[in-house]
Amino acid sequence: QQQVKQSPQSLIVQKGGISIINCAYENTAFDYFPWYQQFPGKGPALLIAIRPDVSEKKEGRFTISFNKSAKQFSLHIMDSQPGDSATYFCAARGGGADGLTFGKGTHLIIQP
Amino acid sequence: GAGVSQSPSNKVTEKGKDVELRCDPISGHTALYWYRQSLGQGLEFLIYFQGNSAPDKSGLPSDRFSAERTGGSVSTLTIQRTQQEDSAVYLCASSLGRGANTGELFFGEGSRLTVL
Repeated sequence: QQQVKQSPQSLIVQKGGISIINCAYENTAFDYFPWYQQFPGKGPALLIAIRPDVSEKKEGRFTISFNKSAKQFSLHIMDSQPGDSATYFCAARGGGADGLTFGKGTHLIIQP
Repeated sequence: GAGVSQSPSNKVTEKGKDVELRCDPISGHTALYWYRQSLGQGLEFLIYFQGNSAPDKSGLPSDRFSAERTGGSVSTLTIQRTQQEDSAVYLCASSLGRGANTGELFFGEGSRLTVL
């Protein structure tokens, strides 16, 4: 059973555009929702995270929007740059587990 | 170094051989995780160590897989009688552990395993 569903699997955005990646979860006990960014040959690294008591969190060009009632959250990258090209993973923690449950990832390409 | 260190970075082996993958976590991190990353399959949880507690082995795909963590620090993931479907990148991560305000996992760069 996949507890965190991520879409799209791949995404191509023009430089300067907005990249949007969506995730949905099933376990209402999840209490922490991070996004990780992974460049080729590297391990994933934390990009931004949110807890369910807020609906939005912004850090620079990166924003998480969180909809608790719909059990969905999304990552928005404003003014997307070629350096943002990477694989992005959403994740969730909670429900008695200490580790993270990851989505399957989105391969993002920003075209110059 | 200050980050999570994994070795080897690349391992090519023949089907049926045993392999060992090593992880050296960030000093002071009590929690250690192993994940497997296959092409198009995201990050698959394998096993979790927290301090001196019994490890959570619920993600190990078969009894050919095992892991240990010695002295609460270095961990070794062992795959016995490797199969071609074991080919993947094996990622280790560490964190401050249970009770920490942040759930941030710090990942190593992974060990790429290729089984011929």
